[in-house]
Order: sequence, then structure tokens, then C-alpha cells
Amino acid sequence: GQQVMQIPQYQHVQEGEDFTTYCNSSTTLSNIQWYKQRPGGHPVFLIQLVKSGEVKKQKRLTFQFGEAKKNSSLHITATQTTDVGTYFCAVDSGGSNYKLTFGKGTLLTVNP
Amino acid sequence: DVKVTQSSRYLVKRTGEKVFLECVQDMDHENMFWYRQDPGLGLRLIYFSYDVKMKEKGDIPEGYSVSREKKERFSLILESASTNQTSMYLCASSLLGWEQYFGPGTRLTVT
Repeated sequence: GQQVMQIPQYQHVQEGEDFTTYCNSSTTLSNIQWYKQRPGGHPVFLIQLVKSGEVKKQKRLTFQFGEAKKNSSLHITATQTTDVGTYFCAVDSGGSNYKLTFGKGTLLTVNP
Repeated sequence: DVKVTQSSRYLVKRTGEKVFLECVQDMDHENMFWYRQDPGLGLRLIYFSYDVKMKEKGDIPEGYSVSREKKERFSLILESASTNQTSMYLCASSLLGWEQYFGPGTRLTVT
């Protein structure tokens, strides 16, 4: 099945600093999704990227899909304590059955 | 809003017991999924279902079975619970290829 590597595994920042997490695949992806899981919560869908080179923004969050559709990034500008959580990328496992393969996630902690 | 509910937030069972975890979604989604989440291992797919009575194995199906008799309900069954099945279990549903909506999770402890 599809494999995706997510880095870093952990990131600790001071409030106001920027944060970026990356997902990399050895194969071309049809699309990529991003989820956020707050501590003690469940994953919540953030966004889906489909097109090569696509860039989408949600307030302080910027999502990018690489030109070759093999990598993606999530960048948070000026982190806040509300950004704390684990960020997962998820890719189509292949076939026509809509399974996702999740990256292992990046745990973001923010020091106020 | 899509709502996915799971029967229990916390569950404690003994080794060898048969365990049922229930998941219900209210948005008429075709696809439903069961994952387990463990520290350092992320989300791993156990089973999923793309229609009533239809199921496919995920990445770690051993020791589990599932049932989907109605479109809105997807059950995960641990035939004989073991301590290595202590984990957080998350159910999700989706409409075709779009985003997955997760339930709150069931933290299962097998002693």
C-alpha cells in the first residue's frame, strides 16, 4: 500500500514562532488530506489538496502540494496555544475504495 | 453537522472476553472505518466497509472482525480480547473519496 513519511515527529515552539510539518511519498499521490487532533480529542479534517503545486490558506495555516505531487507541507504562522495538537497527513491508499494511509503525525507543543 | 458516535468512551475488559465496539453515523455515508491509535504508531486501519454487508481488511485485521448490517452502523468485534489490544479505537465515516469524520474514540483496556 501507499506509504508516507511525516517529519518531524515532535516540534516545540514558543508562542509566536512559525511551525512547519512535511509529508513525503516515494510515489505520485492523487491527493493529500490534512487532519488535526487536539490532545484528548479525535482527528478533525482540515483540508484536501488535489492539484500539482496547489497552495491553500486557512487563516494562519498554509498548505502546499508539491509540483510532482510527492510531498506536501503545512505551515502555521505565528503559532498560538490553540494550535497545540498532532497534525496528520493522509494519502489515498490506492484502488477505488477510498482508504487512507495516515502519516505518523507531528506533535506540536507551544510554550506561552 | 456530521455526527459519528461510539458506544463507549472508556471500556475495561478481561483477557479472553468477547468485546463489541459500536459506531453510528447520521449522514448516510457509504464508507465506514475502524482504526486503532497507539503512541508512536499513528492511526492504523483495522477494517473498513464500503457498503452494507461489505467489508475489507485493513492493515492490521488479525484478532478483529466487523459487522455492518445497516448503513449507519459499523461494529468492531474482538473475538477474544488480549492485552496487546489495549488501545484507543477510532471509528470514522466518509462519503466516497472525501474527508473522513471521526468519532470521539473508545479507550479500551484489556487486563
